[in-house]
Amino acid sequence: AQKVTQAQTEISVVEKEDVTLDCVYETRDTTYYLFWYKQPPSGELVFLIRRNSFDEQNEISGRYSWNFQKSTSSFNFTITASQVVDSAVYFCALSEAGTGRRALTFGSGTRLQVQP
Amino acid sequence: DSGVTQTPKHLITATGQRVTLRCSPRSGDLSVYWYQQSLDQGLQFLIQYYNGEERAKGNILERFSAQQFPDLHSELNLSSLELGDSALYFCASSAPTAGDTEAFFGQGTRLTVV
Repeated sequence: AQKVTQAQTEISVVEKEDVTLDCVYETRDTTYYLFWYKQPPSGELVFLIRRNSFDEQNEISGRYSWNFQKSTSSFNFTITASQVVDSAVYFCALSEAGTGRRALTFGSGTRLQVQP
Repeated sequence: DSGVTQTPKHLITATGQRVTLRCSPRSGDLSVYWYQQSLDQGLQFLIQYYNGEERAKGNILERFSAQQFPDLHSELNLSSLELGDSALYFCASSAPTAGDTEAFFGQGTRLTVV
């Protein structure tokens, strides 16, 4: 069975601070995908990134960066120089890769509040 | 805008009733997924359809059913509703050209059972 753990329920930072959201996963699959989604106060789920299990290269997109470490089953997300618009709930998720089944197993989410 | 359309956006109904949620996937996407987001259960996968066929089933109650039509839109039917069914129901779709690896979500239907 798959499991995603986001131990940080809520994080509060002041604008321009860097913040890291932790994600730890469990799976028996040898190939899988990892994701981060953002849910702003308006409620929709916004796709941020997908990472294949065989690609451990870290990725940077503007102020966002992701650190994937297979050895520790972690896929952490860092926001550099946070802004008020980053305030949202962030979800880490996992899906199988070997079959056509693409159901996402989500973590419980981390609520990020960025204070001005 | 993700390109996935869900209707209605809000729905208020009484216990014991039946409702139908509708989802139109992005153009070209063959897979449709339904998820439920509630305060106590979080985001849970309900069911996946691929080109009209059921592909995967998650924690979907027997009172719930879904289908995907030939035009690829999908409906989620919820019957004998209980207070605990109040939640945000998301539909998502993905494209086989991308290996179905990126699911794009609609804005959700907020169901309130009173």
